[in-house]
Amino acid sequence: AQTVTQSQPEMSVQEAETVTLSCTYDTSESDYYLFWYKQPPSRQMILVIRQEAYKQQNATENRFSVNFQKAAKSFSLKISDSQLGDAAMYFCAYMGGRGGNEKLTFGTGTRLTIIP
Amino acid sequence: DTGVSQDPRHKITKRGQNVTFRCDPISEHNRLYWYRQTLGQGPEFLTYFQNEAQLEKSRLLSDRFSAERPKGSFSTLEIQRTEQGDSAMYLCASSASSGRADHYSSEQYFGPGTRLTVT
Repeated sequence: AQTVTQSQPEMSVQEAETVTLSCTYDTSESDYYLFWYKQPPSRQMILVIRQEAYKQQNATENRFSVNFQKAAKSFSLKISDSQLGDAAMYFCAYMGGRGGNEKLTFGTGTRLTIIP
Repeated sequence: DTGVSQDPRHKITKRGQNVTFRCDPISEHNRLYWYRQTLGQGPEFLTYFQNEAQLEKSRLLSDRFSAERPKGSFSTLEIQRTEQGDSAMYLCASSASSGRADHYSSEQYFGPGTRLTVT
């Protein structure tokens, strides 16, 4: 079974600075997808960024980028120019490929605090 | 379309009672997922539907849990004889699958969740 590990329960960063959230995963599959989801307090989960395992290029979405190390099974999220609205729980998630049921396996999350 | 909606948003019930939650996915999304999230944890997969067919159930889904998606539109999740361990946030998500076996087509859009408290 696939597992996702987030070893940082909490992180904090000064506004406008850069922060990196860590995620490792375990799988025997070669084809899969990785995601970072954001869950603001009392609000619904939204997708931040996704990475296809077959792509070597790291995904970027505006201020958000990932460092995908397939051999090391590592998938970290970098948030640049942190803003107050970035404060949330961040979940790393794994999805198997090849037309499976596309269920997501989540890590335990990292609570990100932005210091004004 | 305003996204995935769930009803109710909060439910407090006494142990032993039955509860039912509803999820309305984004229209034309053929896949619908239920997840459970307990405090301090990430969401855990419970079950999913493609159209009206329930295609997979997690071992977390005991026989007290049942889910339906009649006509492939909204879905209901029922918990019978609730226990205190059932207290959690129940999340629904939907996505549009292309139907191709080798292609991931769409992200999962999550609803706001139903928070269940069993006293």
